[in-house]
Amino acid sequence: DSGVTQTPKHLITATGQRVTLRCSPRSGDLSVYWYQQSLDQGLQFLIQYYNGEERAKGNILERFSAQQFPDLHSELNLSSLELGDSALYFCASSPQSSGAYEQYFGPGTRLTVT
Amino acid sequence: QKEVEQDPGPLSVPEGAIVSLNCTYSNSAFQYFMWYRQYSRKGPELLMYTYSSGNKEDGRFTAQVDKSSKYISLFIRDSQPSDSATYLCAMSGASGSARQLTFGSGTQLTVLP
Repeated sequence: DSGVTQTPKHLITATGQRVTLRCSPRSGDLSVYWYQQSLDQGLQFLIQYYNGEERAKGNILERFSAQQFPDLHSELNLSSLELGDSALYFCASSPQSSGAYEQYFGPGTRLTVT
Repeated sequence: QKEVEQDPGPLSVPEGAIVSLNCTYSNSAFQYFMWYRQYSRKGPELLMYTYSSGNKEDGRFTAQVDKSSKYISLFIRDSQPSDSATYLCAMSGASGSARQLTFGSGTQLTVLP
């Protein structure tokens, strides 16, 4: 158990809908990262937040957005969902004392868009 | 061409074998090299990380980095059925966009009892 929690575990929704994925980092970690993992693209970095502020963006679609709240939990919002958005979405956190290289991943949310 | 290339396997070995997993990369800015293990339907788990070139050992696992060849390896000694998983290499640099992790596609390993 990494100490990172994610809810829900599974999500099934229809095309065009909007969903919110939630992540709580390890105690004391200020950085939160979001990743998408699909069979054809592998593990892709989406976005990073540090202590409530956006720190870096990766291959995140404009239909996707995220935020980190004062209690450090983070939410990833996916809107106008398409079939191709079906994937595993992971959240990771890292200690303040280390760089991005030391990341601890949550169990993931499996999103299925029908 | 992807920044990080990793043989997807699958790789199947008998219990007790020495396993060698490898990645190559093209971005000279990468300075941190990580290996993650991912069991089916679980989140990746950080196994080891290495800074710059050299070797690092942790129990049955040894990570090697050769920056001159842009080549990294993970060796697993005395492999066990519990080592059956997908192994992902990951890399990052010290600044700019390279600070974020870039992952290989993963190698699926099966250790047969």
